[in-house]
Amino acid sequence: EPEVTQTPSHQVTQMGQEVILRCVPISNHLYFYWYRQILGQKVEFLVSFYNNEISEKSEIFDDQFSVERPDGSNFTLKIRSTKLEDSAMYFCASSEGRSSNQPQHFGDGTRLSIL
Amino acid sequence: SQQGEEDPQALSIQEGENATMNCSYKTSINNLQWYRQNSGRGLVHLILIRSNEREKHSGRLRVTLDTSKKSSSLLITASRAADTASYFCATVSTSGSARQLTFGSGTQLTVLP
Repeated sequence: EPEVTQTPSHQVTQMGQEVILRCVPISNHLYFYWYRQILGQKVEFLVSFYNNEISEKSEIFDDQFSVERPDGSNFTLKIRSTKLEDSAMYFCASSEGRSSNQPQHFGDGTRLSIL
Repeated sequence: SQQGEEDPQALSIQEGENATMNCSYKTSINNLQWYRQNSGRGLVHLILIRSNEREKHSGRLRVTLDTSKKSSSLLITASRAADTASYFCATVSTSGSARQLTFGSGTQLTVLP
């Protein structure tokens, strides 16, 4: 069964450094998402992406964050100048089509640790 | 309670028993989805129920939705040790073109062999 893959599984970065998290969504999916889960807290929506542009974003997704689909397969989340509070699990997800009544399929996540 | 709150927070049962988890939400929704998360892993989609549906089955899973009470339940029948995981409900609201999932805090299910 096709799946969403994320790399790396664990990223350790110094505060203030830039980090890029990578995702390969399921190949025929059109909508892509990033979520994060701070340890012990709920999974939170960051951003959705469709047709090469941001479709929705949350208050968390400020100017420090950006997303890109650099080629036909990858979907990346960049954090420009990381802060301690950016430490979390970051999940990429994708869904098949235009309807909101379709499930989102998640990757296993990247654990981001900011030192 | 906040959007997508599950109860109980933790549930411990014997293998073979049924497990019921509940979810409440606040806003109007397009659909409600249930996900499972094993420790340290990603979220696995279990089942999606649309706002105009009342009940849905998938294998050992049964989901109900009561939009008048803004609540849903997930029933896992004949539980197995492998069902041990956290279970989350997540809603997609009706506002605009929203597709974002709003997650609850989850129920930690432990199935004892």
